Amino acid sequence: QLQLQESGPGLVKPSETLSLTCTVSGGSISSNNYYWGWIRQPPGKGLEWIGSVYYSKNIYYSPSLKSRVTISVDTPKNQFSLKLNSVTAADAAVYYCAGSGLGNYWVDSWGQGTLVTVSS
Amino acid sequence: QSALTQPRSVSGSPGQTVTISCTGTRSDVGNYNYVSWYQQHPGKAPKFMIYDVSKRPSGVPDRFSGSKSGNTASLTISGLQAEDEADYYCCSYAGNYIWVFGGGTKLTVL
Repeated sequence: QLQLQESGPGLVKPSETLSLTCTVSGGSISSNNYYWGWIRQPPGKGLEWIGSVYYSKNIYYSPSLKSRVTISVDTPKNQFSLKLNSVTAADAAVYYCAGSGLGNYWVDSWGQGTLVTVSS
Repeated sequence: QSALTQPRSVSGSPGQTVTISCTGTRSDVGNYNYVSWYQQHPGKAPKFMIYDVSKRPSGVPDRFSGSKSGNTASLTISGLQAEDEADYYCCSYAGNYIWVFGGGTKLTVL
Protein backbone atom coordinates (compact mmCIF):
# COMPACT_ATOMS: atom_id res chain seq x y z
CA GLN A 1 0.00 0.00 0.00
CA LEU A 2 1.55 3.23 -1.15
CA GLN A 3 1.66 6.14 1.23
CA LEU A 4 2.55 9.63 0.07
CA GLN A 5 3.23 12.76 2.10
CA GLU A 6 3.67 16.27 0.77
CA SER A 7 5.94 18.79 2.44
CA GLY A 8 7.06 22.33 1.74
CA PRO A 9 6.35 25.98 2.51
CA GLY A 10 2.73 26.89 2.99
CA LEU A 11 3.32 30.48 1.95
CA VAL A 12 5.00 31.71 -1.22
CA LYS A 13 5.40 35.30 -2.39
CA PRO A 14 4.10 36.37 -5.80
CA SER A 15 6.63 35.93 -8.62
CA GLU A 16 8.67 33.46 -6.56
CA THR A 17 9.00 29.69 -6.92
CA LEU A 18 6.75 27.18 -5.22
CA SER A 19 8.65 24.06 -4.17
CA LEU A 20 7.08 20.92 -2.77
CA THR A 21 8.36 17.44 -2.05
CA CYS A 22 6.50 14.16 -1.88
CA THR A 23 7.92 11.36 0.25
CA VAL A 24 6.86 7.90 -0.76
CA SER A 25 6.63 4.87 1.49
CA GLY A 26 5.39 1.39 0.76
CA GLY A 27 6.96 1.41 -2.67
CA SER A 28 10.13 2.41 -4.45
CA ILE A 29 10.16 5.66 -6.40
CA SER A 30 12.46 4.02 -8.92
CA SER A 31 10.30 0.95 -9.36
CA ASN A 32 8.97 0.23 -12.79
CA ASN A 33 5.70 -0.67 -11.12
CA TYR A 34 4.52 2.88 -10.47
CA TYR A 35 4.28 6.33 -11.88
CA TRP A 36 3.96 9.54 -9.92
CA GLY A 37 2.30 12.89 -10.31
CA TRP A 38 1.06 16.18 -8.92
CA ILE A 39 -2.51 17.45 -8.85
CA ARG A 40 -3.78 20.70 -7.40
CA GLN A 41 -7.08 22.11 -6.22
CA PRO A 42 -7.64 25.85 -5.75
CA PRO A 43 -9.86 26.67 -2.78
CA GLY A 44 -13.46 25.85 -3.61
CA LYS A 45 -12.58 24.70 -7.10
CA GLY A 46 -11.93 21.52 -9.02
CA LEU A 47 -8.91 19.31 -9.48
CA GLU A 48 -6.22 20.12 -12.01
CA TRP A 49 -3.59 17.68 -13.23
CA ILE A 50 -0.12 19.25 -13.17
CA GLY A 51 2.19 16.54 -14.44
CA SER A 52 3.43 12.98 -14.12
CA VAL A 53 6.77 11.14 -14.11
CA TYR A 54 7.38 7.61 -15.40
CA TYR A 55 10.48 5.48 -14.90
CA SER A 56 12.01 8.36 -12.92
CA LYS A 57 12.86 10.25 -16.07
CA ASN A 58 9.98 10.49 -18.53
CA ILE A 59 8.07 13.57 -17.43
CA TYR A 60 4.90 15.02 -18.87
CA TYR A 61 3.28 18.32 -17.99
CA SER A 62 -0.08 19.98 -18.35
CA PRO A 63 0.10 22.17 -21.47
CA SER A 64 -1.27 25.11 -19.48
CA LEU A 65 1.53 24.92 -16.88
CA LYS A 66 4.37 23.49 -18.93
CA SER A 67 6.32 26.73 -19.20
CA ARG A 68 6.51 27.17 -15.42
CA VAL A 69 6.65 23.70 -13.90
CA THR A 70 9.38 21.17 -13.22
CA ILE A 71 8.96 17.71 -11.70
CA SER A 72 12.01 15.79 -10.59
CA VAL A 73 12.84 12.57 -8.78
CA ASP A 74 15.30 11.96 -5.94
CA THR A 75 15.76 8.21 -5.95
CA PRO A 76 18.00 7.84 -2.86
CA LYS A 77 15.48 9.76 -0.76
CA ASN A 78 12.48 8.04 -2.34
CA GLN A 79 10.99 11.42 -3.12
CA PHE A 80 9.75 13.39 -6.06
CA SER A 81 9.37 17.13 -6.23
CA LEU A 82 7.42 19.93 -7.83
CA LYS A 83 8.68 23.38 -8.68
CA LEU A 84 6.37 26.03 -10.08
CA ASN A 85 7.95 29.36 -10.85
CA SER A 86 6.58 32.87 -11.22
CA VAL A 87 3.59 32.10 -9.03
CA THR A 88 0.55 34.33 -8.80
CA ALA A 89 -2.55 34.27 -6.64
CA ALA A 90 -4.07 31.86 -9.16
CA ASP A 91 -1.55 29.24 -8.09
CA ALA A 92 -2.85 29.15 -4.53
CA ALA A 93 -4.22 25.68 -3.98
CA VAL A 94 -4.05 22.41 -2.12
CA TYR A 95 -1.33 20.45 -3.86
CA TYR A 96 -1.59 16.68 -3.89
CA CYS A 97 1.07 14.22 -4.83
CA ALA A 98 -0.20 10.97 -6.26
CA GLY A 99 0.88 7.54 -7.32
CA SER A 100 -0.50 4.92 -9.63
CA GLY A 101 0.37 1.43 -10.70
CA LEU A 102 2.05 1.46 -14.06
CA GLY A 103 -0.54 0.64 -16.65
CA ASN A 104 -3.33 1.99 -14.47
CA TYR A 105 -5.21 4.89 -15.94
CA TRP A 106 -6.39 6.25 -12.63
CA VAL A 107 -4.93 7.64 -9.44
CA ASP A 108 -4.43 4.81 -6.95
CA SER A 109 -3.00 6.72 -4.05
CA TRP A 110 -3.14 10.30 -2.90
CA GLY A 111 -1.18 12.27 -0.39
CA GLN A 112 -3.19 14.17 2.18
CA GLY A 113 -2.55 17.44 0.34
CA THR A 114 -0.77 20.59 1.39
CA LEU A 115 -2.20 24.09 1.15
CA VAL A 116 -0.03 26.69 -0.52
CA THR A 117 -0.98 30.34 -0.19
CA VAL A 118 0.46 33.01 -2.48
CA SER A 119 0.82 36.34 -0.74
CA SER A 120 3.38 39.03 -0.09
CA GLN B 1 -6.80 20.82 -22.86
CA SER B 2 -10.07 22.06 -21.37
CA ALA B 3 -11.59 20.68 -18.21
CA LEU B 4 -14.34 18.11 -18.60
CA THR B 5 -17.82 19.50 -18.01
CA GLN B 6 -19.82 18.36 -15.01
CA PRO B 7 -22.99 19.78 -13.48
CA ARG B 8 -22.18 22.01 -10.54
CA SER B 9 -24.60 20.19 -8.28
CA VAL B 10 -27.04 17.33 -8.08
CA SER B 11 -29.26 16.17 -5.26
CA GLY B 12 -31.43 13.28 -4.23
CA SER B 13 -33.21 11.80 -1.26
CA PRO B 14 -32.01 8.71 0.58
CA GLY B 15 -32.73 5.60 -1.42
CA GLN B 16 -33.02 7.42 -4.71
CA THR B 17 -30.75 7.18 -7.74
CA VAL B 18 -28.69 10.07 -9.06
CA THR B 19 -26.52 10.35 -12.14
CA ILE B 20 -23.61 12.72 -12.64
CA SER B 21 -22.51 13.43 -16.19
CA CYS B 22 -19.03 14.24 -17.43
CA THR B 23 -18.74 15.62 -20.92
CA GLY B 24 -15.50 15.81 -22.81
CA THR B 25 -14.45 15.66 -26.43
CA ARG B 26 -13.37 13.18 -29.06
CA SER B 27 -9.83 13.74 -27.83
CA ASP B 28 -10.39 12.50 -24.33
CA VAL B 29 -13.60 10.85 -23.07
CA GLY B 30 -14.71 9.92 -26.56
CA ASN B 31 -11.40 8.40 -27.57
CA TYR B 32 -10.36 6.38 -24.53
CA ASN B 33 -12.08 4.02 -22.11
CA TYR B 34 -9.97 5.48 -19.35
CA VAL B 35 -12.46 7.52 -17.37
CA SER B 36 -12.18 7.43 -13.60
CA TRP B 37 -14.33 8.92 -10.86
CA TYR B 38 -13.29 10.28 -7.47
CA GLN B 39 -15.24 11.05 -4.34
CA GLN B 40 -14.03 13.86 -2.12
CA HIS B 41 -15.39 14.70 1.30
CA PRO B 42 -14.65 18.18 2.72
CA GLY B 43 -11.05 18.58 3.77
CA LYS B 44 -10.10 15.14 2.54
CA ALA B 45 -8.09 13.82 -0.38
CA PRO B 46 -10.07 12.32 -3.25
CA LYS B 47 -10.78 8.60 -3.27
CA PHE B 48 -11.14 6.71 -6.48
CA MET B 49 -14.48 5.04 -6.97
CA ILE B 50 -14.59 3.96 -10.60
CA TYR B 51 -11.86 3.25 -13.15
CA ASP B 52 -11.77 2.34 -16.81
CA VAL B 53 -15.26 3.83 -17.23
CA SER B 54 -17.19 1.19 -15.31
CA LYS B 55 -14.93 -0.90 -13.07
CA ARG B 56 -15.16 -0.72 -9.31
CA PRO B 57 -12.14 -1.18 -7.06
CA SER B 58 -12.56 -3.53 -4.15
CA GLY B 59 -14.31 -1.91 -1.25
CA VAL B 60 -16.49 0.41 -3.30
CA PRO B 61 -20.16 -0.47 -2.93
CA ASP B 62 -21.94 -1.79 -6.00
CA ARG B 63 -24.34 1.12 -5.62
CA PHE B 64 -21.75 3.04 -7.60
CA SER B 65 -21.57 2.37 -11.32
CA GLY B 66 -20.09 4.04 -14.34
CA SER B 67 -20.85 4.17 -18.02
CA LYS B 68 -19.97 6.05 -21.17
CA SER B 69 -21.68 7.05 -24.37
CA GLY B 70 -19.80 9.00 -26.98
CA ASN B 71 -18.07 11.96 -25.38
CA THR B 72 -20.02 11.73 -22.12
CA ALA B 73 -19.30 9.53 -19.14
CA SER B 74 -21.67 9.08 -16.26
CA LEU B 75 -21.52 8.06 -12.62
CA THR B 76 -24.69 6.59 -11.19
CA ILE B 77 -25.28 6.18 -7.49
CA SER B 78 -28.27 4.08 -6.55
CA GLY B 79 -29.79 3.61 -3.12
CA LEU B 80 -28.44 7.00 -2.08
CA GLN B 81 -27.09 7.19 1.46
CA ALA B 82 -26.22 10.14 3.65
CA GLU B 83 -22.51 9.31 3.50
CA ASP B 84 -22.58 9.67 -0.28
CA GLU B 85 -22.84 13.43 0.14
CA ALA B 86 -19.57 14.70 -1.26
CA ASP B 87 -17.94 16.24 -4.31
CA TYR B 88 -17.40 13.97 -7.28
CA TYR B 89 -14.81 14.43 -10.01
CA CYS B 90 -14.34 12.65 -13.29
CA CYS B 91 -10.99 12.30 -14.98
CA SER B 92 -10.06 11.15 -18.45
CA TYR B 93 -6.87 10.20 -20.20
CA ALA B 94 -6.36 12.55 -23.14
CA GLY B 95 -3.45 10.89 -24.90
CA ASN B 96 0.26 11.69 -24.87
CA TYR B 97 0.41 11.05 -21.12
CA ILE B 98 -1.92 13.96 -20.47
CA TRP B 99 -4.90 13.85 -18.11
CA VAL B 100 -7.87 16.11 -17.66
CA PHE B 101 -10.28 16.43 -14.75
CA GLY B 102 -13.84 17.60 -14.59
CA GLY B 103 -14.84 20.69 -12.66
CA GLY B 104 -16.56 18.64 -9.98
CA THR B 105 -20.15 18.04 -8.89
CA LYS B 106 -21.49 18.60 -5.41
CA LEU B 107 -23.90 15.84 -4.43
CA THR B 108 -26.40 16.77 -1.74
CA VAL B 109 -28.42 14.08 -0.01
CA LEU B 110 -31.67 15.73 0.99
